[in-house]
Amino acid sequence: NAGVTQTPKFRVLKTGQSMTLLCAQDMNHEYMYWYRQDPGMGLRLIHYSVGEGTTAKGEVPDGYNVSRLKKQNFLLGLESAAPSQTSVYFCASSSAGTGFYEQYFGPGTRLTVT
Amino acid sequence: AQSVTQLDSQVPVFEEAPVELRCNYSSSVSVYLFWYVQYPNQGLQLLLKYLSGSTLVESINGFEAEFNKSQTSFHLRKPSVHISDTAEYFCAVSDRSGGSYIPTFGRGTSLIVHP
Repeated sequence: NAGVTQTPKFRVLKTGQSMTLLCAQDMNHEYMYWYRQDPGMGLRLIHYSVGEGTTAKGEVPDGYNVSRLKKQNFLLGLESAAPSQTSVYFCASSSAGTGFYEQYFGPGTRLTVT
Repeated sequence: AQSVTQLDSQVPVFEEAPVELRCNYSSSVSVYLFWYVQYPNQGLQLLLKYLSGSTLVESINGFEAEFNKSQTSFHLRKPSVHISDTAEYFCAVSDRSGGSYIPTFGRGTSLIVHP
């Protein structure tokens, strides 16, 4: 059981470039989430998904897009990267079946936009 | 909307001393409560959770937290900390009334244990 994995672990982009972050989970969880973590700001929810083919905006969705074509994968896209998107990105997943929503987190992707 | 306040951004403490990390949330409706721990350069891991029943919950490594509904608090405590407890700690709250259960996180408290 790998749990939640994220690809890549590190990335440096120039302003205006695009990229996709991949999150994969092997726990058959219905819910998946993308967060960004910045110093002193805690975790802020970017987008989330409650099932295959569905996505919803979180607290800070601007500049990001997501897709959930398969239940086990959740992609986060940056179409035109900006320095303000320099951050550590975490993916998480949780089960909707048991009535409680403990989240399982990936190891993070450290993104620097220059 | 739910909000979560962790009153201390940083808590320095000496090894073997007791510690309390404070967490308050805004809404008193039915909630699930969580503490997560993040060690350097890692993702978050669940430390303990309150779902229902006994208001005092414990983790396997000696931490405990008490749900106080009247004060809307879920403070984390440990009677004697170890160097290895140095980490970032996040309080999270899921609102059971809204149906979506999307958790709200606090800004985190950095626990620094000195020898």
